[in-house]
Amino acid sequence: GIQVEQSPPDLILQEGANSTLRCNFSDSVNNLQWFHQNPWGQLINLFYIPSGTKQNGRLSATTVATERYSLLYISSSQTTDSGVYFCAVASGTYKYIFGTGTRLKVLA
Amino acid sequence: GAVVSQHPSRVICKSGTSVKIECRSLDFQATTMFWYRQFPKKSLMLMATSNEGSKATYEQGVEKDKFLINHASLTLSTLTVTSAHPEDSSFYICSARDGTRAGDAFFGQGTRLTVV
Repeated sequence: GIQVEQSPPDLILQEGANSTLRCNFSDSVNNLQWFHQNPWGQLINLFYIPSGTKQNGRLSATTVATERYSLLYISSSQTTDSGVYFCAVASGTYKYIFGTGTRLKVLA
Repeated sequence: GAVVSQHPSRVICKSGTSVKIECRSLDFQATTMFWYRQFPKKSLMLMATSNEGSKATYEQGVEKDKFLINHASLTLSTLTVTSAHPEDSSFYICSARDGTRAGDAFFGQGTRLTVV
């Protein structure tokens, strides 16, 4: 099956800093989503981005499907950005496989 | 956007009892829903694919008789953890896809199960 690796596994930032999270996947996919899991466990859908670039406020994402990776950019980070970020990929059946996650902590 | 509701959000049960978790698509029909399990500080692992009107498809290593899945209507799938044991304690999340729109899947808020 598809393997999804995220890096870095852990990240500590000072408030206001920028960061880039990476998601590599081992096979072709036609669906990719980025999520933020809050402290209560709820998955917040950030982007549906099987290819191209999207932006939403301080967050943006880029997927280069041909090279099998996606990037999530967080600018001017805030303490409320803390949590775990997952990318998830699927091909055909929408059976999403989740990455290993990046645990982000933003310090005030 | 589409809404998936999961209930209960938190449940504590005694060893040996069964627990049912519901996953509903509130404003769309979902012929397929998915169930995931998450251990503390780990990623989400796909358990099974729930198909409306037919048997669920389980991932390798997931016990069918332990985790019973029923998808009786286009808006409801249920996961029943049978004869629960402490090692079944986990966070369970469902997802569903709106077949009338492209690609993204929507996730429920999750159920934290604690077996004592």
